[in-house]
Formats: sequence, C-alpha cells, structure tokens
Amino acid sequence: DAMVIQNPRYQVTQFGKPVTLSCSQTLNHNVMYWYQQKSSQAPKLLFHYYDKDFNNEADTPDNFQSRRPNTSFCFLDIRSPGLGDAAMYLCATSSVVPPYEQYFGPGTRLTVT
Amino acid sequence: DAKTTQPPSMDCAEGRAANLPCNHSTISGNEYVYWYRQIHSQGPQYIIHGLKNNETNEMASLIITEDRKSSTLILPHATLRDTAVYYCIVRVRNTDKLIFGTGTRLQVFP
Repeated sequence: DAMVIQNPRYQVTQFGKPVTLSCSQTLNHNVMYWYQQKSSQAPKLLFHYYDKDFNNEADTPDNFQSRRPNTSFCFLDIRSPGLGDAAMYLCATSSVVPPYEQYFGPGTRLTVT
Repeated sequence: DAKTTQPPSMDCAEGRAANLPCNHSTISGNEYVYWYRQIHSQGPQYIIHGLKNNETNEMASLIITEDRKSSTLILPHATLRDTAVYYCIVRVRNTDKLIFGTGTRLQVFP
C-alpha cells in the first residue's frame, strides 16, 4: 500500500545534540510537510516543500531545518535540541490536484534528556 | 490562524450516531472542508472531505450547509475505537497548507 513512513518511531537525544528525523513516501506526492505536536495540542506546521521549493512558517525557530533530496524523502534536522523541543513530529504529503487531502505518517516521538 | 471552530469535547454512547459540528464561516467558494481524526499517539487519519455536496464513505458522512458556513461529521454507529480527537480543517486559501484548530475530543462510552 502507498504510504508515508517515518523513522524512527521513537528517538531520544541529549540536550544540544543534533538529531535528524526521516520521512519517506510512496505516494509520489509533490508536497511534503513537517508538523510539531506537543502534548494535548493540535499539530503545528513547521514548514513544507512544494517539490524542491522550501516554505518556512514565520514562527518556526531557526533551530529547525529541513532537507528534501528527492521526491520520496524529506528530513527534519534539529540543530541544538532543547527540552522544549520534545514532541511528536509528524510528516505528511499531499498532491497538487483537488481535493489536496494530506496523508500523515505515524510520527516520531522525540525525547530530549 | 485556524479557520474553523469546534466544541472541545463530546460524548457518545457506543452504537449511537456521533454528530460532530464545525463552523467555518469565512470559507470561500472553492475551499474544501476536510475531516481528520487522531487516535492517541498516532498520526492524524484522513476521514472525508467535501466542497458543496454531502458526502459519504465507508467511515463517515459529511453534511455541509447550503451556505457552506458549517458542516457536521456523522459517524453512524460509533464504536469504542472511534474515541479520538476530530479535526475539521479548511485549507488556507491559495496555499498548500492545512492549519489545524483545537479539534473535538470524542469519547465513546459503553
């Protein structure tokens, strides 16, 4: 089945130690998204790619970066994780034709120690 | 900012219909309404979408008012596994973005 895959499902990193989260898709969708979801809150969009065009949300901290080397893969890099960056990170994809629905991966739960 | 408003929580008895309302009074003519749900510690799951007409699939029905300013998601026979947070979302106009509101926490009880 076509799907959005996130690895790992659980990631533990130390305060200040760079960490990379991975997302891949078999849907061949043009658009890929990264969301941050903290406990008991709704997902918050960090940034997205339309093909190779990167679109950052205005309030996304500089500590968060992303790479999309090809259509299938997208990475979230946290350069210096703080305790406040502990959250679920969700990757999603969508096509560029109506109805544009997004498909989400299972998420990576990041713990910062 | 989210363009939808939903009640924060609802209860429903197992086997009964769950009717989840959503207001989207600023929706424009060509914007879709999407419904997703999120079961604890999982990624959001797409349920259904609509533009103008009522829609039904194997998971739910979506009723959209004629003026398109509100909609209702109907789970016809709720089960305990339908306990989740349900998000009603309107795509941000002229962008690729969905901005989540606070959603409705549906609790299905035996």
